[in-house]
Amino acid sequence: QITLKESGPPLVKPTQTLTLTCTFSGFSLSSSGVGVGWIRQPPGKALEWLALIYWDDDKRYNPSLMHRLTITKDTSKNQVVLIMTNMEPVDTGTYFCAHTTSVFDSIMMGPINWFDPWGQGALVTVSS
Amino acid sequence: SYELTQPPSVSVSPGQTATITCSGGALPEQYVYWYQKKPGLAPVLIIYKDFERPSGIPERFSGSTSATAATLTISGAQAEDEADYYCHSADKRHTWYVFGGGTRLTVL
Repeated sequence: QITLKESGPPLVKPTQTLTLTCTFSGFSLSSSGVGVGWIRQPPGKALEWLALIYWDDDKRYNPSLMHRLTITKDTSKNQVVLIMTNMEPVDTGTYFCAHTTSVFDSIMMGPINWFDPWGQGALVTVSS
Repeated sequence: SYELTQPPSVSVSPGQTATITCSGGALPEQYVYWYQKKPGLAPVLIIYKDFERPSGIPERFSGSTSATAATLTISGAQAEDEADYYCHSADKRHTWYVFGGGTRLTVL
């Protein structure tokens, strides 16, 4: 059974840096194709993909936020860390991490992946 | 990048069929995935690769696609299906990912 759990400070001040940790079990980030992604949801708003890291350290970032994001992994600890700099009140929301596996699809003739399952989420409030 | 557009809300009576659409310019080139999100809970994958249903997801949930839109259909909607539903897709090379704006389903 795959489980993920997000942890981090519930409150950060504007301009500060947020560090979130996703601790998982039931899979290994050293297995081919496996990855972990981060997605957030501001209160009352839609889901927004932030970043993704694969078993081979391949990293993907939301183009609109990539200048503020860093994603890393610690395979031995079964953890993925997301760092977001220069936090603002608009960054307030619930931050989720999720498991993904990249597989080759013969119809799309390329890799595909989706996020499943997700962690319960960590609420982060940005306020002075 | 591109956007996925969903209707903000859909309402149905219990037992009726609910349809939620997701439109976006790149959909024919990539699969669509659907998630159910209830308050305080993690999103749950209910449809993958346009129409595939994960184990444990009730058969009343189904997915389909056309040239420029994907559709989530809930046949015989139940009160427990009240939730926000999000479509999700990626660019051709899976270098970035996008979610739709979400649709609030009300069953009353």
